[in-house]
Amino acid sequence: GDSVTQMEGPVTLSEEAFLTINCTYTATGYPSLFWYVQYPGEGLQLLLKATKADDKGSNKGFEATYRKETTSFHLEKGSVQVSDSAVYFCALKYGGSNYKLTFGKGTLLTVNP
Amino acid sequence: GAGVSQSPSNKVTEKGKDVELRCDPISGHTALYWYRQRLGQGLEFLIYFQGNSAPDKSGLPSDRFSAERTGESVSTLTIQRTQQEDSAVYLCASSPRGAETQYFGPGTRLLVL
Repeated sequence: GDSVTQMEGPVTLSEEAFLTINCTYTATGYPSLFWYVQYPGEGLQLLLKATKADDKGSNKGFEATYRKETTSFHLEKGSVQVSDSAVYFCALKYGGSNYKLTFGKGTLLTVNP
Repeated sequence: GAGVSQSPSNKVTEKGKDVELRCDPISGHTALYWYRQRLGQGLEFLIYFQGNSAPDKSGLPSDRFSAERTGESVSTLTIQRTQQEDSAVYLCASSPRGAETQYFGPGTRLLVL
């Protein structure tokens, strides 16, 4: 079945460091790919998405590129801030009638000043 | 506008008791989803509503779990005869018809003693 694997956390970085959180997926078709973020005490929020191969999703300085050849959707940010501390979830979803999100386990990011 | 709300935010119960978890979706959102997140795991899909009907209940882990939705609005997830393995954060999400993005509530943290 479909699955999402993301790097184990926790990840601890200093402010202004470069961030990569790896995400790979297994799917039978061509899903849309998502990164959701959960800030402390808040609900999950969509961070960015990409709906087809080679699409790049971007938001708040974060980027991820849909790589069909490597079945990956790695999240990157050039310079993290303390306010980026959160749990990040990679997820996939098919369009049409197949609507449910399949999530990875989440990666806790802590950014220190 | 108001986001997805869930109640209670925390629930502690004894093994064998029944619990009800409530979700108020964003007004006008026809689709509603329940997910579960157990400690150290990704989010697991439980059930999906389109309007008041549930075309996919495949994620419900056992017949102790049931859910209903009324008035294309509020949904209740009921767990009967709770077990310790039911301890998790239960998340609700909603989306407009045909939309890819799901909007999540803050979750209900359930602890079964």
